[in-house]
Amino acid sequence: RKEVEQDPGPFNVPEGATVAFNCTYSNSASQSFFWYRQDCRKEPKLLMSVYSSGNEDGRFTAQLNRASQYISLLIRDSKLSDSATYLCVVTADKLIFGTGTRLQVFP
Amino acid sequence: DGGITQSPKYLFRKEGQNVTLSCEQNLNHDAMYWYRQDPGQGLRLIYYSQIVNDFQKGDIAEGYSVSREKKESFPLTVTSAQKNPTAFYLCASSFGLGNEQFFGPGTRLTVL
Repeated sequence: RKEVEQDPGPFNVPEGATVAFNCTYSNSASQSFFWYRQDCRKEPKLLMSVYSSGNEDGRFTAQLNRASQYISLLIRDSKLSDSATYLCVVTADKLIFGTGTRLQVFP
Repeated sequence: DGGITQSPKYLFRKEGQNVTLSCEQNLNHDAMYWYRQDPGQGLRLIYYSQIVNDFQKGDIAEGYSVSREKKESFPLTVTSAQKNPTAFYLCASSFGLGNEQFFGPGTRLTVL
């Protein structure tokens, strides 16, 4: 089993839709969790950290479920500019990156 | 402005040549990393360093070498022993191994 697993997608959604991605991790000792965004042919950029109680940043909501060992990212009111690959990142002694979920928002 | 820089952005190399990729950060981060990304693939860790004069192999270190003589700098050498060097190389830094990482803009290496 991979340390961090994501559905590669693509998720094709219309503007204004709500979309959610999940990411599962295998190490129950994992301590920190992040979502990164990567645009085509660019470097990954930190989107948000994921806190135990869940957290929200504008249209983005991140949640952690330690019992089932997954984190999620919810995007509300999708914009064309949200089209990107979303990387799930989990840490124990070092960061482990998922391979990403591709999102394509169409008009 | 604080940040992490990589140079060059694009690099072409003939087979059999060594090439060194530059990575500099002024974020006062202790840890630095090198990743490789192939088209449609995730990030793979090549080497990382927690502190000056110390570095560790990642998952795919064969054919690569690094040095960490200064806190700000972590150059990567792609040697002729690396069988498939054409890829997108990303450098990152963080305060510690478990902290969020910040990435440079990457170097796209093509071997001709």
